[in-house]
Amino acid sequence: DTEVTQTPKHLVMGMTNKKSLKCEQHMGHRAMYWYKQKAKKPPELMFVYSYEKLSINESVPSRFSPECPNSSLLNLHLHALQPEDSALYLCASSQDRGNTIYFGEGSWLTVV
Amino acid sequence: EDQVTQSPEALRLQEGESSSLNCSYTVSGLRGLFWYRQDPGKGPEFLFTLYSAGEEKEKERLKATLTKKESFLHITAPKPEDSATYLCAVMNSGGSNYKLTFGKGTLLTVNP
Repeated sequence: DTEVTQTPKHLVMGMTNKKSLKCEQHMGHRAMYWYKQKAKKPPELMFVYSYEKLSINESVPSRFSPECPNSSLLNLHLHALQPEDSALYLCASSQDRGNTIYFGEGSWLTVV
Repeated sequence: EDQVTQSPEALRLQEGESSSLNCSYTVSGLRGLFWYRQDPGKGPEFLFTLYSAGEEKEKERLKATLTKKESFLHITAPKPEDSATYLCAVMNSGGSNYKLTFGKGTLLTVNP
């Protein structure tokens, strides 16, 4: 079982809604990640947090807003999304940057 | 630019029929090569990390090997529950980004 926990598992939201995806890990990892995965494609990196600071933003549109409240938690705030943003959103963590990355089960997002 | 090519794209085996999946890569400096298993609708599950040519790792029916240009995932006497998409990824040791570059995956189906 993965030790990276994501909630909710499924989310349906309208284009004017504001929602959040949540992620938690208790492995003491200091790097946390958000990835986006479309059907039959590999995961694509969105954001990297290292020691609770944003270190990489892969030119993600501002309608996606990450937040790292503490070393165990990672949120992804969603606002004014488009239908093409529908995908599996994966949270991941690693002991530090450059170490093995462990993924959560993902949150399925559908934008209607 | 780092590149990862996985072959075949899809592989169908009979239960007990051993085979290998290939991952060819180009990277300026290899920090690690990673194998993940992904079931439909779920996040990637970590299998192995390989760091240098000649390294081998085993777990149950799976064995991963690494050369300077490619990695193989050998599956011995597979069972239907081994059916999944297998993803290969490399991490570059250059700079401080430590980003994962994924291949497109191999979809393995094991028939009973």
